[in-house]
Amino acid sequence: KQEVTQIPAALSVPEGENLVLNCSFTDSAIYNLQWFRQDPGKGLTSLLLIQSSQREQTSGRLNASLDKSSGRSTLYIAASQPGDSATYLCAVKGNTPLVFGKGTRLSVIA
Amino acid sequence: SAVISQKPSRDICQRGTSLTIQCQVDSQVTMMFWYRQQPGQSLTLIATANQGSEATYESGFVIDKFPISRPNLTFSTLTVSNMSPEDSSIYLCSVQTGETQYFGPGTRLLVL
Repeated sequence: KQEVTQIPAALSVPEGENLVLNCSFTDSAIYNLQWFRQDPGKGLTSLLLIQSSQREQTSGRLNASLDKSSGRSTLYIAASQPGDSATYLCAVKGNTPLVFGKGTRLSVIA
Repeated sequence: SAVISQKPSRDICQRGTSLTIQCQVDSQVTMMFWYRQQPGQSLTLIATANQGSEATYESGFVIDKFPISRPNLTFSTLTVSNMSPEDSSIYLCSVQTGETQYFGPGTRLLVL
């Protein structure tokens, strides 16, 4: 059964810092991995999707990497801003529907 | 991409009652998904709804408790039946277009 773990559970950084969020999964037989952002009490916004054959994807200040063989992904956020404060969720898609981690709650302090 | 709306956005309900949540998508999609997010937890898939067929429920979820309708390719409803405080959660509708999965804004439910 696929399990997804995100570390750390919470992170607080000063504005302008670069940061890395981690995601690990137990079954490397995945089709893709998706990073989402969730603002308090809201739905999910898709940030990046990485296919199993890809190593990384970039969108603006965000860069996501995937090491399928080791079951790891990272989300790199450059030059963080207070508006980046949210919970970031990692989800993997294999032969089962999307399996989510519990998320990393990020606070960027001005 | 897909734009998804849900109604209601939030509700407070009494124990033993039922609530129907509506999900509308701006394009035709084959599959729609219903998720639950309990307080402090991540998302758990309740069921997958295909137009014209019975929904497929995940382990731990049953049709009597969470009946789903899928009358056409842009709309679905999820009913939370005979509610208890343990049903207090955010319920989210989701669709997949291409490889990407998109989510609605969610319905925040509090059961007293």
